[in-house]
Amino acid sequence: DGGITQSPKYLFRKEGQNVTLSCEQNLNHDAMYWYRQDPGQGLRLIYYSQIVNDFQKGDIAEGYSVSREKKESFPLTVTSAQKNPTAFYLCASRTRVGINQPQHFGDGTRLSIL
Amino acid sequence: GQSLEQPSEVTAVEGAIVQINCTYQTSGFYGLSWYQQHDGGAPTFLSYNALDGLEETGRFSSFLSRSDSYGYLLLQELQMKDSASYFCAVRESGAPGGSYIPTFGRGTSLIVHP
Repeated sequence: DGGITQSPKYLFRKEGQNVTLSCEQNLNHDAMYWYRQDPGQGLRLIYYSQIVNDFQKGDIAEGYSVSREKKESFPLTVTSAQKNPTAFYLCASRTRVGINQPQHFGDGTRLSIL
Repeated sequence: GQSLEQPSEVTAVEGAIVQINCTYQTSGFYGLSWYQQHDGGAPTFLSYNALDGLEETGRFSSFLSRSDSYGYLLLQELQMKDSASYFCAVRESGAPGGSYIPTFGRGTSLIVHP
């Protein structure tokens, strides 16, 4: 079955440490997205990518970085510059064919500070 | 920019009907989507309205009035498993390169009681 896989499910970060969250999809989708979700909040866009080797900042990109070297993969690095990284991180993908196609989400990674 | 308003919490009993409202402000508009998210899980797509009127999918229906910048999700014959958060999302026209960049509301927590 096709889908989006995020790993790990839980991640702990020490002060001053960079951590990378994995997102892999086998849906053959061109567009991929990273969102941050805090309690009682909606999904806030961190970065998105419409095609391989291209990505754009979202609303809250500071302290985060991404790469898009392969169509299937869109890893997110939470850098030490992100001072409040504790949150639930969701990766999504979407086909660019058709205007009504929805986003498909992974099961998320919950990041906490040690 | 965009903003969306939806109630933070709605409660109902099994078998009842509940309506979750969403009002939005955008400088352009492509459509209104609804997603369901169970606690700690992946958001899943429920419905999409680009035109005025009611879209029905089983027990769930979604309505849009573009002139009122308003939509709602209607859940009928409520079941315990419908307890979840429900997010409305608006895609605004004019995103860079025609990109699909939805903005999400803060979500409505639906609690279904026996």
